[in-house]
Amino acid sequence: DAGVIQSPRHEVTEMGQEVTLRCKPISGHDYLFWYRQTMMRGLELLIYFNNNVPIDDSGMPEDRFSAKMPNASFSTLKIQPSEPRDSAVYFCASRPTSLAQYFGPGTRLTVL
Amino acid sequence: AQSVTQPDIHITVSEGASLELRCNYSYGATPYLFWYVQSPGQGLQLLLKYFSGDTLVQGIKGFEAEFKRSQSSFNLRKPSVHWSDAAEYFCAVGARGAAGNKLTFGGGTRVLVKP
Repeated sequence: DAGVIQSPRHEVTEMGQEVTLRCKPISGHDYLFWYRQTMMRGLELLIYFNNNVPIDDSGMPEDRFSAKMPNASFSTLKIQPSEPRDSAVYFCASRPTSLAQYFGPGTRLTVL
Repeated sequence: AQSVTQPDIHITVSEGASLELRCNYSYGATPYLFWYVQSPGQGLQLLLKYFSGDTLVQGIKGFEAEFKRSQSSFNLRKPSVHWSDAAEYFCAVGARGAAGNKLTFGGGTRVLVKP
């Protein structure tokens, strides 16, 4: 299995621009999670989906953040407009019925 | 709500020496427990997990962890460290039931291996 796939691996953008991060979960996994990792705050859960439906988005920091999962094999996390404080590594993770989550390699976002 | 504490931010160990990383959790019942490892520039890789049963859990890369209910701990151990074990290690806890869909991660312990 290819594991969780994220793209792009690195993104550099300017403040105010729209950023879209992409994730392909492991086939057959019915949960998908988006996390953000920073030095100051560690690993934070932003939102998670079950069977393509958003279940808990309480970790999404602001309305500037949105996430979608149009089908079982694809999810996006969008930031519009982006700000320098959004700079972080964003991880996508998926899991099957058991609770162990499997993480992608992450997208390192830098907002100038 | 559950919480996780990893008391050691950094640990330095010599290659070949044993390693123990501490993890303490707070939860009203027996939680689900995990250890993940993150190498520089990489995602988190699952080392091992505890759901129930035998309190000594074997994982990948020669790691093991022991669940101690009385101490609310889930410490990670390796008898002989290799240079490739230099990484950051995260303990995570999940609640039982639907709430367990959300994992709470500790702040991580960065391990440096001396030759």
